[in-house]
Amino acid sequence: GENVEQHPSTLSVQEGDSAVIKCTYSDSASNYFPWYKQELGKGPQLIIDIRSNVGEKKDQRIAVTLNKTAKHFSLHITETQPEDSAVYFCAAKAGNMLTFGGGTRLMVKP
Amino acid sequence: EAGVTQSPTHLIKTRGQQATLRCSPISGHTSVYWYQQALGLGLQFLLWYDEGEERNRGNFPPRFSGRQFPNYSSELNVNALELEDSALYLCASSLTSWLEQYFGPGTRLTVT
Repeated sequence: GENVEQHPSTLSVQEGDSAVIKCTYSDSASNYFPWYKQELGKGPQLIIDIRSNVGEKKDQRIAVTLNKTAKHFSLHITETQPEDSAVYFCAAKAGNMLTFGGGTRLMVKP
Repeated sequence: EAGVTQSPTHLIKTRGQQATLRCSPISGHTSVYWYQQALGLGLQFLLWYDEGEERNRGNFPPRFSGRQFPNYSSELNVNALELEDSALYLCASSLTSWLEQYFGPGTRLTVT
């Protein structure tokens, strides 16, 4: 089955800096890659997603890039703010299954 | 538009008992997914329901089961509870199978 690895597990940045979270997947048939943000005590919130026929997608301060050849995709957050502090999960869809990475705890220091 | 709702928020059970968790999807969504999130760990896929049928299940024992009702709401049942079943159980729904899943706030199950 699909295996998704996510790095780093924790990331601390200064407010205003950029943050990058990387994920690799194993199943070359994976064709959909969402990113979720989970704040303490809440369910995961879909923040951006990308399909396998697109290399990059941007939404305001967040962007996702996909390299199908290398089987990895990344989340980029620019001009980080304290409210960006949360746990971020990547995921990859292969067939009828969504496999999640282990999560990255992002801390934005004011 | 109302999001995915789950009840109860918290549930405390004793080992060996049964737990029932409920989920109402976003209006119009026919697919419902259940995930287990143990403390400090990622999300593990449990079950997928679509149009009232169980379509797929993750690597969990048969004592994890559920159903989907005609109004697309869903119920997760966990029988013969074990201590390691303590986790946050998340429900998600989507309009198109497996794309753009929206999660509810979860039910925190504690087994003592």
